[in-house]
Amino acid sequence: EAGVTQSPTHLIKTRGQQATLRCSPISGHTSVYWYQQALGLGLQFLLWYDEGEERNRGNFPPRFSGRQFPNYSSELNVNALELEDSALYLCASVLATSYTDTQYFGPGTRLTVL
Amino acid sequence: AQKVTQAQTEISVVEKEDVTLDCVYETRDTTYYLFWYKQPPSGELVFLIRRNSFDEQNEISGRYSWNFQKSTSSFNFTITASQVVDSAVYFCALGDSNYQLIWGAGTKLIIKP
Repeated sequence: EAGVTQSPTHLIKTRGQQATLRCSPISGHTSVYWYQQALGLGLQFLLWYDEGEERNRGNFPPRFSGRQFPNYSSELNVNALELEDSALYLCASVLATSYTDTQYFGPGTRLTVL
Repeated sequence: AQKVTQAQTEISVVEKEDVTLDCVYETRDTTYYLFWYKQPPSGELVFLIRRNSFDEQNEISGRYSWNFQKSTSSFNFTITASQVVDSAVYFCALGDSNYQLIWGAGTKLIIKP
């Protein structure tokens, strides 16, 4: 069974540009979580999508947005990129909408903003 | 408040030593789940274990073992006979009733050959 996949692996942008990151969950999983991990730091919750709907978002500005498609894959968009947006962005998928379920993570996308 | 504390920022041991990573949590929920993840240098978070609050039995998986104690709100992780490949950042997390994971800050484990 294929795991969570993310693309691209690396992304280099300049300040002010937009970045789009993609995530495909494990087959059968309907929930997707996005996290930001700045270098050497812990995980900061960004967004949670379930059944196509945004269920919750973390303490991030509105220029961080996303969506979930009917096939449960998800996209994270970051507009008006700032230098501090440079980080590893991790996507996790969950089988069902339950806080007891395990989140399985993808390999991440390393975003560098110059 | 929901909180996870991993007080050890970094631990360095020599290969074959045993090492314990501490995790202390705070929760208002009576039913909750605890998790450990490993993050090697490649960056991908690897799921290690999930534990529910009703099951205080210790768990062993090969060289890994976990000690869950509700009385002290701790869920510690021990690696026996450590190996260089165990070098990684280890995160403890608490499953929140709001469908979120409350993460600890992580412990960087360095295993020296």
